[in-house]
Amino acid sequence: KQEVTQIPAALSVPEGENLVLNCSFTDSAIYNLQWFRQDPGKGLTSLLLIQSSQREQTSGRLNASLDKSSGRSTLYIAASQPGDSATYLCAVRENRDDKIIFGKGTRLHILP
Amino acid sequence: KAGVTQTPRYLIKTRGQQVTLSCSPISGHRSVSWYQQTPGQGLQFLFEYFSETQRNKGNFPGRFSGRQFSNSRSEMNVSTLELGDSALYLCASSLLLAGVTDTQYFGPGTRLTVL
Repeated sequence: KQEVTQIPAALSVPEGENLVLNCSFTDSAIYNLQWFRQDPGKGLTSLLLIQSSQREQTSGRLNASLDKSSGRSTLYIAASQPGDSATYLCAVRENRDDKIIFGKGTRLHILP
Repeated sequence: KAGVTQTPRYLIKTRGQQVTLSCSPISGHRSVSWYQQTPGQGLQFLFEYFSETQRNKGNFPGRFSGRQFSNSRSEMNVSTLELGDSALYLCASSLLLAGVTDTQYFGPGTRLTVL
């Protein structure tokens, strides 16, 4: 059974720092991996989608990497800003049954 | 292009009642998925619909059901509500290309409170 883990559960960093969020998954048979952000009480916003054949995707200050063989993905945020404060979730879509499995997220707080 | 819309945004019900939630996908998207989000369990997949057919289903009891209409709008129904059904219910739409859904776009959610 696929399990997606995100560590740490919460993180506080000063504004301007670069940071890395981690996501690990137990079954490497995935179609893709997606990173989302969620602001309190709101829906999810898609940040980056990495297909299983890709190693990384970039959008602005965000860079996501995928290492299928080790079951890991990282989301790198450069020059963090207070507006980056949110919960970040990763999700994998499985090959086997095409279901999406989410991690429980990392709650990020950027200190002004 | 308008995003995914969900109605109502907030709902309060009592145990034993039933509830229907609605989701309108992004224009052109034919795949609609539903999720339940709680502090303890996180985001859990409920089901996915495509062209009015249930394409996939999570591990939830039969009290949770859904349907999709010809215009791709979807409804989710929960019967005989329990306290544990209190959650944020999220709907997501996506294109379905070559049998695999692509980027999911989420609505703002419906906050259901069961008293």
